[in-house]
Amino acid sequence: AQTVTQSQPEMSVQEAETVTLSCTYDTSESDYYLFWYKQPPSRQMILVIRQEAYKQQNATENRFSVNFQKAAKSFSLKISDSQLGDAAMYFCAYKPPGNTGKLIFGQGTTLQVKP
Amino acid sequence: DVKVTQSSRYLVKRTGEKVFLECVQDMDHENMFWYRQDPGLGLRLIYFSYDVKMKEKGDIPEGYSVSREKKERFSLILESASTNQTSMYLCASSLRGEASNQPQHFGDGTRLSIL
Repeated sequence: AQTVTQSQPEMSVQEAETVTLSCTYDTSESDYYLFWYKQPPSRQMILVIRQEAYKQQNATENRFSVNFQKAAKSFSLKISDSQLGDAAMYFCAYKPPGNTGKLIFGQGTTLQVKP
Repeated sequence: DVKVTQSSRYLVKRTGEKVFLECVQDMDHENMFWYRQDPGLGLRLIYFSYDVKMKEKGDIPEGYSVSREKKERFSLILESASTNQTSMYLCASSLRGEASNQPQHFGDGTRLSIL
């Protein structure tokens, strides 16, 4: 079965510092997509960054970047220059091949940003 | 921007009641999804639909049913609510496509309490 594991239930970072959230997944597929979503307290879940498995280059979106290690089945999220607004729950998600659009989510990591 | 609207942010119902959660999206997305979110468990897929009147079971369909009579609307039904269905319910939608890296777009969520 395909699974996604986020082993860090909670993380904290000092404002302006860098933090890395971990995610591993299990699949026998070679072509798939990976996503990081952010869910601020009492607010809507939004997409942070996405990665296509066939691309070797790591995705970046402003202060957010990923370290995608396909062989290790690892997909970590790095947040640089952390801001108070980055405080949220972060979910890693795996999209298998196929056109249903189904996602498999990890358990989530709650990120606290300290001023 | 995609707008996914869930009919209620907070809902309190009694055990044994029939409960309807409504979700509407305005971007002509083929795929729609219902998840429940519980602490430590992440998001778990209840049901999804890839077309009008089409539905497929997700990972935890027991005790739930769905209805999709129109493309923009996807309803989740708790036939006879029980206390273990107290949870946060999230609706999402996405474009359909084999090689699609299109993300899911989420509603604000409905926090449902069954007393």
